[in-house]
Formats: sequence, C-alpha cells, structure tokens
Amino acid sequence: GEDVEQSLFLSVREGDSSVINCTYTDSSSTYLYWYKQEPGAGLQLLTYIFSNMDMKQDQRLTVLLNKKDKHLSLRIADTQTGDSAIYFCAERMGTGFQKLVFGTGTRLLVSP
Amino acid sequence: DTGVSQDPRHKITKRGQNVTFRCDPISEHNRLYWYRQTLGQGPEFLTYFQNEAQLEKSRLLSDRFSAERPKGSFSTLEIQRTEQGDSAMYLCASSLAPGRGGAYGYTFGSGTRLTVV
Repeated sequence: GEDVEQSLFLSVREGDSSVINCTYTDSSSTYLYWYKQEPGAGLQLLTYIFSNMDMKQDQRLTVLLNKKDKHLSLRIADTQTGDSAIYFCAERMGTGFQKLVFGTGTRLLVSP
Repeated sequence: DTGVSQDPRHKITKRGQNVTFRCDPISEHNRLYWYRQTLGQGPEFLTYFQNEAQLEKSRLLSDRFSAERPKGSFSTLEIQRTEQGDSAMYLCASSLAPGRGGAYGYTFGSGTRLTVV
C-alpha cells in the first residue's frame, strides 16, 4: 500500500528539541522529504535525504533514516513558536514516474 | 519568477456548478503536478504533466475532473458538476524531471481552497 504513517500531534516547550517520526512503505524509495505547512498555506520543502544516507543535518534540522525499519525522523533543535505548523514526511516511490506520497502530517505545537 | 502561483486562492460554489483553477509553475520546471488535500490529511496525488503531456492520472481523478497544460507552461484543473465531496484544498506543484535537480522535491503553490455548498 501507500500508507505513510505519522503520529498526529506533538507538543513541546520553546527551546526544547522536537522529534517527529514517520514510517514509510517502499524500501526502494530513493528520496524522502520533510515539508512544513502553516495554516492556510501550501507546503514548504524543509529538507530531504537520499536513501543511501543515514543522517543529514541542516542548521537546526537533523534527519535520521533507518532503512531497515523504514523509519524517518526529523529533529528540530531549539524549537521556536514559529515552528508551530503541520509537518509532512513524503517518499518518492514507484517505477518510471515517481510520485511523492505524503503522510497524514504531524501537528507541532510550541508553547512559550 | 518567485514560485508557483495558483488562482483563485478561495472558491465557493454551489453544488452542480463547474469550476476551473489555474496554476503557473516555476518557469524552468518541466513537470507540473496537481494534488488534493482534505482536512486533516496529507496531499493526495491527482495527476501530472511533463511539458504539455499528461502522463499519469490517479484513480481519484473521476470523469468530472479534467486537467490541461496546453503550452507546457500554465495548467488548469476543471471540475464539472461539483459535489460536496469535492471540497478540499487543490495544490499545484512543479519540479524538474529527475536527473536535473529532481532530488530537491516539488515546489508547491499556496493552493486553491474549494468549498462546495
């Protein structure tokens, strides 16, 4: 199937680290992505990781990939109130045309 | 070119009416995608174009939906005889084909929110 699973909700305090988890379905997925969506807006690409990597760091963002378990996580260091949004993981899957398949999203709420 | 533009941002229509949305992709992107997002869900793939050719359509795209990209630039998505179940955010995205920067994912527009009453 094409179910990319995420937990629905995460609440943290400002300054803490946030970890958002995702389980994807296709072990042959070449790229995995994290997108951020603020209320009423489209999706903003935050970061991506190629499937032959275990980790990628980009400023406050750290992506960890466990291919064996098909598990992807996004860690946001020093979380700020402006990070409050819905976060979607997505995998690029399929043969020939590879579409992005998105998870259901994790709503991150950062409280002061 | 500042990104992917969608028009209108919001559309309210009566059930049974036809609606058309427009998407202007990033000019150098040869691929264009339409996704639909309902409340509390992630975006679901509808269809995509490479240049002017529509190369794949999802099972979600019923006969009442049609998409075009006549000159390989902007695209339109038309929904005929709208139903309440069509109420959703319709997102357009564009990208280069893989092998030409395709690692960077899609660039999304802000979407058109459709409400069918």
